[in-house]
Amino acid sequence: EPEVTQTPSHQVTQMGQEVILRCVPISNHLYFYWYRQILGQKVEFLVSFYNNEISEKSEIFDDQFSVERPDGSNFTLKIRSTKLEDSAMYFCASSEATRTEAFFGQGTRLTVV
Amino acid sequence: GENVEQHPSTLSVQEGDSAVIKCTYSDSASNYFPWYKQELGKRPQLIIDIRSNVGEKKDQRIAVTLNKTAKHFSLHITETQPEDSAVYFCAASKSGGSYIPTFGRGTSLIVHP
Repeated sequence: EPEVTQTPSHQVTQMGQEVILRCVPISNHLYFYWYRQILGQKVEFLVSFYNNEISEKSEIFDDQFSVERPDGSNFTLKIRSTKLEDSAMYFCASSEATRTEAFFGQGTRLTVV
Repeated sequence: GENVEQHPSTLSVQEGDSAVIKCTYSDSASNYFPWYKQELGKRPQLIIDIRSNVGEKKDQRIAVTLNKTAKHFSLHITETQPEDSAVYFCAASKSGGSYIPTFGRGTSLIVHP
């Protein structure tokens, strides 16, 4: 069964450093998303991406965040200058179309120290 | 934007009992309601979903009901088993643009053997 894959599984970074989280969505999917989940809390929407541009973003997705689809397979989330409160599990997801199941990757646990 | 409330936050049942998790949503335009199960340290996975043109859907021991007038939907698990123990998230989304499920806060279901 096709899966969304994310790398790395765990990233530790110093406050103020830039991090790039990588995702490979399912190949025939057209919609891509980033969510984050702070430990013990709910899954929060960050950003959605369709047709090579951001289609929606939440208040969390400020100027420190950016997304890119550098080639036909990867979808990345960059945090320019990490803060302690960016520590969370970051999930990438993709879906084939609207109103269809979003498949989640296994997540990247980001720890900012 | 959409706001999804989910109750209870924790649900403890004996094996074989039924479990019910309830969610309400705020945006009357929402028309797709997936439920995700997240086992500890793993990705959220879709277990069942319902669209606004039906009031109930069942898949073996799991059923969902939707009341569009009241803007609430529920997950029912019958004959619970220890492996049902997980965090369950409801979500709501609508078509028109990208698919962006807004998640509830999650319910930690504990099934005691």
